[in-house]
Amino acid sequence: SQQGEEDPQALSIQEGENATMNCSYKTSINNLQWYRQNSGRGLVHLILIRSNEREKHSGRLRVTLDTSKKSSSLLITASRAADTASYFCATDPPTGGGNKLTFGTGTQLKVEL
Amino acid sequence: DAGITQSPRYKITETGRQVTLMCHQTWSHSYMFWYRQDLGHGLRLIYYSAAADITDKGEVPDGYVVSRSKTENFPLTLESATRSQTSVYFCASSDPWGAGGHQETQYFGPGTRLLVL
Repeated sequence: SQQGEEDPQALSIQEGENATMNCSYKTSINNLQWYRQNSGRGLVHLILIRSNEREKHSGRLRVTLDTSKKSSSLLITASRAADTASYFCATDPPTGGGNKLTFGTGTQLKVEL
Repeated sequence: DAGITQSPRYKITETGRQVTLMCHQTWSHSYMFWYRQDLGHGLRLIYYSAAADITDKGEVPDGYVVSRSKTENFPLTLESATRSQTSVYFCASSDPWGAGGHQETQYFGPGTRLLVL
């Protein structure tokens, strides 16, 4: 079963606008990660936030985590056409080790010129 | 720096045939993973391996077999392919005990698109 569910499933914005996508999950986590997938390619790691962190930044990316609501959001500021991709959240459980991630169903982002 | 590669990139086969998808990584990462990606399901873990000769089932292991005789290779075999196994298959690796602050990151191959007729 999927641990993470992204919302919205699809998002279309204009270049320069901000894009926000959300992820909800069901069980306790050690960390939550966001990955990007360009069409026809493998996933690429973007950012990781640990369960004891509330916010993290990396370049134009801002991730928040609310463990009480079991939710996370990814904000991409000043979006570019090159940001067009699918974005997945992935959760890492607190036990078991080995980085056995559970991925959500993804948000398809389209950034138009 | 080749990273992680998968072969073949595209494969068409028929129901009932055995198919093996290859995955090779050059980083000596201890963990390797196989996922399938289907529309509406995201990525689902098929099998994973913590080290050579250590493998374990993921969420959807039925109909698949894996082996890991060498750290760098993690082949996935469909013993008797079915139409429901038509999918895009991704291999990934991670290094939980590595240095550099990326121990939890998974690194993905480019994927293999498999069509079972």
